[in-house]
Amino acid sequence: GENVEQHPSTLSVQEGDSAVIKCTYSDSASNYFPWYKQELGKRPQLIIDIRSNVGEKKDQRIAVTLNKTAKHFSLHITETQPEDSAVYFCAASSYGKLTFGQGTILTVHP
Amino acid sequence: GAVVSQHPSRVICKSGTSVKIECRSLDFQATTMFWYRQFPKQSLMLMATSNEGSKATYEQGVEKDKFLINHASLTLSTLTVTSAHPEDSSFYICSASSAGAEGGGTDTQYFGPGTRLTVL
Repeated sequence: GENVEQHPSTLSVQEGDSAVIKCTYSDSASNYFPWYKQELGKRPQLIIDIRSNVGEKKDQRIAVTLNKTAKHFSLHITETQPEDSAVYFCAASSYGKLTFGQGTILTVHP
Repeated sequence: GAVVSQHPSRVICKSGTSVKIECRSLDFQATTMFWYRQFPKQSLMLMATSNEGSKATYEQGVEKDKFLINHASLTLSTLTVTSAHPEDSSFYICSASSAGAEGGGTDTQYFGPGTRLTVL
């Protein structure tokens, strides 16, 4: 089955800096890669996603890149703000089934 | 649009009792619903996938007789934890997907708010 590895497990940045989270996947059949933000005790919120026929996607301060050959994808957050602090999960979808990475705790210091 | 609700939001029960959790898609028809379990400070682990009107498909290591899933309609799926024990205490989250929800692809999943289960 699919295996998703996510790094780093924790990330601490100063407000205004950029944050990058990286994930790798194993199943070449995976074709959809969403990123979720989860605050403590809340549901995961989809923040951006990318499909396998696209290499990059951007939405305001958030961007995602995908390298299908290397089987890795990354989340980039620019101009970080304290409210960006949360746990971020990457996921890979194969035949409609999501496999999640281990999560990254992002802390943005004012 | 694409709203998923879950009920109850939290439940405390005694060991040996059964607990039912409901997951509803409020404004779209969910052809597929998923149930996840999340332990503290860990990731979401898929427990099972259910399609309306058919039996759920369970992930390896998940006991189908302990975690009963029913997907009787296109807007409702239920998870029943039977004979719950303290090790079943966890955050249970459902999600739903449909090609018709907000124009997303069939693999876009919309998550419910989760149910915090505590077994004493």
